[in-house]
Amino acid sequence: DTAVSQTPKYLVTQMGNDKSIKCEQNLGHDTMYWYKQDSKKFLKIMFSYNNKELIINETVPNHFSPKSPDKAHLNLHINSLELGDSAVYFCASSSSGGAFTDTQYFGPGTRLTVL
Amino acid sequence: GNSVTQMEGPVTLSEEAFLTINCTYTATGYPSLFWYVQYPGEGLQLLLKATKADDKGSNKGFEATYRKETTSFHLEKGSVQVSDSAVYFCALKPGRRALTFGSGTRLQVQP
Repeated sequence: DTAVSQTPKYLVTQMGNDKSIKCEQNLGHDTMYWYKQDSKKFLKIMFSYNNKELIINETVPNHFSPKSPDKAHLNLHINSLELGDSAVYFCASSSSGGAFTDTQYFGPGTRLTVL
Repeated sequence: GNSVTQMEGPVTLSEEAFLTINCTYTATGYPSLFWYVQYPGEGLQLLLKATKADDKGSNKGFEATYRKETTSFHLEKGSVQVSDSAVYFCALKPGRRALTFGSGTRLQVQP
């Protein structure tokens, strides 16, 4: 029944490792997002895909790479992890449907800790 | 550019007190405005939204009115409960762009 799910919920890893966070939505939405929440709770958009096409790519370090195999999935790959990557990462989805007022539905978040 | 400014927290209230969390925004055009809530250890949930000037969003006793003249979207509730303790985020969405969030305001309600 979960609308937007993320795995894993917690991820603890060493600096320099490569890791992935997966996101899936079963809402039939065509747009998905990745947000980063830092230790002060500040949330910022990282990427957005619409129908598997990248439409938003904010100023994000280039060792982050999103991949969308289909409309229901948006994964986040992180290479050569750095201490500053420690944060909570939220996936979200919405339906564009030609309207500008679409509500975004968020996943439960993935807490990444880089040691 | 687009930005959202929220009042600094934490806001500490006694149960049944009146709540106001201020939110002002800067945006080009006419964005939609949202309040999201994050309970401890959970993801964000949409609390309410408004899509045009003078619209009032409401949910679970919370209300906010889209004020174009003051570029504000203040969140109010007449009588808070302990269960309302959470972090509240004001956000705007200009067209097809992603949400731009404020810094969040932590609310602590004491019994």
